Amino acid sequence: DAGITQSPRHKVTETGTPVTLRCHQTENHRYMYWYRQDPGHGLRLIHYSYGVKDTDKGEVSDGYSVSRSKTEDFLLTLESATSSQTSVYFCAISEKQQGVTEAFFGQGTRLTVV
Amino acid sequence: GDSVTQMEGPVTLSEEAFLTINCTYTATGYPSLFWYVQYPGEGLQLLLKATKADDKGSNKGFEATYRKETTSFHLEKGSVQVSDSAVYFCALVDPGSARQLTFGSGTQLTVLP
Repeated sequence: DAGITQSPRHKVTETGTPVTLRCHQTENHRYMYWYRQDPGHGLRLIHYSYGVKDTDKGEVSDGYSVSRSKTEDFLLTLESATSSQTSVYFCAISEKQQGVTEAFFGQGTRLTVV
Repeated sequence: GDSVTQMEGPVTLSEEAFLTINCTYTATGYPSLFWYVQYPGEGLQLLLKATKADDKGSNKGFEATYRKETTSFHLEKGSVQVSDSAVYFCALVDPGSARQLTFGSGTQLTVLP
């Protein structure tokens, strides 16, 4: 357990509303990631962070923004939610163990946009 | 760019059957390879890993061998149990990629008693 907590765990929101998902970690990891999981697509990277205020886009970043003002928190914001953003969102951290990068995941947030 | 291709699912087996889930990859560098497992309602957990050619990762009776010549990392288990029912993801990390994992699409395994 890498001390990763996601909140909320479930959310239903209406199309066009803003939504923020939170990822909190307790072990001072530098790298944090947001993925979305959809049937037939596996996990796809939305955004990642390599330090406070240092973020970059992933494969499916359109419609999403992120912020990292503290090491322990990585926020994912949907500025104006759409039905195509209904998904399960996972936060992850990575660390190097014996020279090998390993990722550890939160429990996920199930978001439904109606 | 990097990519991972997994066999299509779902896969349904009887308890004690032999399991193979195929995984092949494309990478620009010399990646590390992983299998992750996701039980219902949970996040992903690392199942096993391999970092160089001919390495064999193993855990909980599962095995996978890093085959550079065929760019493959197939997951195997000799005798599956009902508790192995889950979704399995093959993934890679390219050394030059800011530690980003690239995942396959996942394979749903159901084991029947």
